[in-house]
Amino acid sequence: GAGVSQSPSNKVTEKGKDVELRCDPISGHTALYWYRQSLGQGLEFLIYFQGNSAPDKSGLPSDRFSAERTGGSVSTLTIQRTQQEDSAVYLCASSLGLGGGAEQETQYFGPGTRLLVL
Amino acid sequence: AQSVSQHNHHVILSEAASLELGCNYSYGGTVNLFWYVQYPGQHLQLLLKYFSGDPLVKGIKGFEAEFIKSKFSFNLRKPSVQWSDTAEYFCAVNGGATNKLIFGTGTLLAVQP
Repeated sequence: GAGVSQSPSNKVTEKGKDVELRCDPISGHTALYWYRQSLGQGLEFLIYFQGNSAPDKSGLPSDRFSAERTGGSVSTLTIQRTQQEDSAVYLCASSLGLGGGAEQETQYFGPGTRLLVL
Repeated sequence: AQSVSQHNHHVILSEAASLELGCNYSYGGTVNLFWYVQYPGQHLQLLLKYFSGDPLVKGIKGFEAEFIKSKFSFNLRKPSVQWSDTAEYFCAVNGGATNKLIFGTGTLLAVQP
């Protein structure tokens, strides 16, 4: 597609429920990143995919958070047993990846999913 | 560990005023530097980037930034702001094997007509 797309754009859930957030990267981009934007913490890195593997999961805040990527394209971020502190905007970004310079490493962001946990 | 500091949290300017937003970073290796902008109700967009070469980089909408290695700085400038520049501006750095972005806390710019 023309840009990174994410769904849903907004999600309201009750504390304790599980949620799934979806990211569709730019076609041909092998690298995919998840970030979280919240009032208290700013923009934080969560996880990085190169192809279908996740060599860097260091930003996931707890084991309630997980992500997968299939077919080297779409990625799903899952939050289990949501807590109120999970409320944030979850952003996805993609890049050409595979090293090699400026354009390959430039990340383009989607519109985000605004999650509200009541 | 990598970190990015943006010194100005809120900036209010009148149209046609000059803008300079500070950004300092901390990282031990080779870094790539970015400024992203988030207009009200819109997603993060790339404003400009520095990877190597000329330390003065020009971006979209008349913005430029200068990389000063000795000062670990990458300040954003625009000689004459417009009302449409009202937005939040984020400085970011990446480096290392995964190229994850480390962001500053952002600067909220309000331009008064």
